[in-house]
Amino acid sequence: GAVVSQHPSWVICKSGTSVKIECRSLDFQATTMFWYRQFPKQSLMLMATSNEGSKATYEQGVEKDKFLINHASLTLSTLTVTSAHPEDSSFYICSAWTGSSYEQYFGPGTRLTVT
Amino acid sequence: GQQLNQSPQSMFIQEGEDVSMNCTSSSIFNTWLWYKQDPGEGPVLLIALYKAGELTSNGRLTAQFGITRKDSFLNISASIPSDVGIYFCAGQMNSGNTPLVFGKGTRLSVIA
Repeated sequence: GAVVSQHPSWVICKSGTSVKIECRSLDFQATTMFWYRQFPKQSLMLMATSNEGSKATYEQGVEKDKFLINHASLTLSTLTVTSAHPEDSSFYICSAWTGSSYEQYFGPGTRLTVT
Repeated sequence: GQQLNQSPQSMFIQEGEDVSMNCTSSSIFNTWLWYKQDPGEGPVLLIALYKAGELTSNGRLTAQFGITRKDSFLNISASIPSDVGIYFCAGQMNSGNTPLVFGKGTRLSVIA
């Protein structure tokens, strides 16, 4: 149980285009989802906290107009990277909280490469 | 963003050796967690600690939640080749619905 999926697992896009990444909780309802970014050989850094039905809370230094987060249902949160640039190339990982357990469950990550 | 101080950054050990890594923070956390991440994948939870002073084992892994709530360590006994990967500590203010603050990671290499 407690499986989180991400789609796509990897994506290559051209500079200036937008790309959407989905995070789904497959067998539970996620009250809260988190989006992290991980650059090569670095740690995971929190980008934003997303609660179902409300606006995401972004960490300092993360542009909310560039990284659009939508948590429209209890099983799906999306991250849209708008007008992507090569410096946005990274590994994006989501995690989800069930609302009743202590644990957050991580997705497998999405590798974004902007050319 | 905030990060925890994790050491060592990398380790090269012989198969069968024991490994120890630790994490410290200037802030108090109510939950400490240890994850392992393989290349191109998301982190996988190894051990979760919820009480100061708690010592918890998971197979060959043992972790402790520091009594000050500002540190934790992870030990791996009798390492095997599949232990290779990056280990991250993470602190959490409150369980579940608060984000995790990660350490910088310890890259473990095991020489057979």
